[in-house]
Parts: sequence; C-alpha cells; structure tokens
Amino acid sequence: QQQVKQSPQSLIVQKGGISIINCAYENTAFDYFPWYQQFPGKGPALLIAIRPDVSEKKEGRFTISFNKSAKQFSLHIMDSQPGDSATYFCAAQSWGGKLIFGQGTELSVKP
Amino acid sequence: ETGVTQSPTHLIKTRGQQVTLRCSSQSGHNTVSWYQQALGQGPQFIFQYYREEENGRGNFPPRFSGLQFPNYSSELNVNALELDDSALYLCASSSGLKGGDEQFFGPGTRLTVL
Repeated sequence: QQQVKQSPQSLIVQKGGISIINCAYENTAFDYFPWYQQFPGKGPALLIAIRPDVSEKKEGRFTISFNKSAKQFSLHIMDSQPGDSATYFCAAQSWGGKLIFGQGTELSVKP
Repeated sequence: ETGVTQSPTHLIKTRGQQVTLRCSSQSGHNTVSWYQQALGQGPQFIFQYYREEENGRGNFPPRFSGLQFPNYSSELNVNALELDDSALYLCASSSGLKGGDEQFFGPGTRLTVL
C-alpha cells in the first residue's frame, strides 16, 4: 500500500516531442505528489508538485495531470529538449514528510 | 540562501567499518530526512529528524542511526558496514512536518563498501 509504481522505465523522445511519464499509488492518505529530476551524480531536484484537490498544474513546459479516483498522476514535458535528458522520479507524501518514490524513468531526448 | 550541503562527496570503506555522513540543512529549515539510493533505484526513506528528535523511520536496521543538532544540521551513522550499504546517501531538508512541505535534496554522499 506504500508503493508508488512508475512507468515506463526508459523513454526515448525526439527533440520537440512530448514526454509522458505515469505513476500510480494505492494509499489514499497521500496528499502531496512531487516530481523530481535527477542528473547523473547529482541529488534529485524538485521539478513540480501537485495536491489531490487539483486535477492539473502547469509550470512552463512541465504539466502534472492528476486523477484522484484512479489514483494516478502523470508528468508531461512539452517541447522536450536534449537538456531534459535525465532520470525522473514521481513521489508521494503523507503528513509527516516521508517521501515514497517510484522506480524512476530514464528519459533520453534525441536531437 | 544556502542550499542543502553534504559531506563528504565520496567515501570508500571496508566491510565491518563504521561511517558518519553529514548534512547541513537549507536556511530556515528545521526538518531533515535521510534517504538511501541504490544504483538504478528510487531513493528509500531511512529516517527523519524534526527539532532534534527522530520522527519516523523506514525499513532499515538499528545499525543505521542519526542525530540532529541545535542548528538543524544532521549526521547519519552506519555501523558494521555491509556490501549492500554501497549507495548514494541523500539528505533532504524541509520547513516542517505537515504534508506537502517541499523537500530539497543535497548532492548526496557516494558510499562504496569493499
């Protein structure tokens, strides 16, 4: 019940395309859903986050879509760029601040 | 505003040894969480410290212990190192315990156990 399942494991997208990463959770106590971007040898960097009372949040080229009834959320990266090539992690958090991470998606954007 | 810093950057130890990793939280943050990230995996929660008290622990054995100091910096100690302890150890700081507080990660300490 504490798991967050993330797919796909890896993703190759052409420059200018849309990258889509999906996550699913079971625990309805989760009330905060962040996405992190991680480059090799670096710590995860907070990209964008959403709370379950909102169905969509957009920041620049990054959009989170949230489906509370299906217990699913996804990250869309519009106009993907080679600089977006990194590993992306979804996560879920309940009161107390413990983050449960998905397994990660390795994104490669080809020029 | 200073971000989360961790030291050392890299560390090599042998099985059975003990190690101490350090973390300085972001200015204004009173909560520190530690995570272990094995190669190719998502970070796994080890434990969290809030105002110098342990506040929640993940599925890690007691040989993983920690401290938080009055200035909210923190240490992670691992005794009797095992080969499987080789990982990137991440520290994250936040400004409180309520759900939805953004957690900001440091660059991590890469621990290799031989």
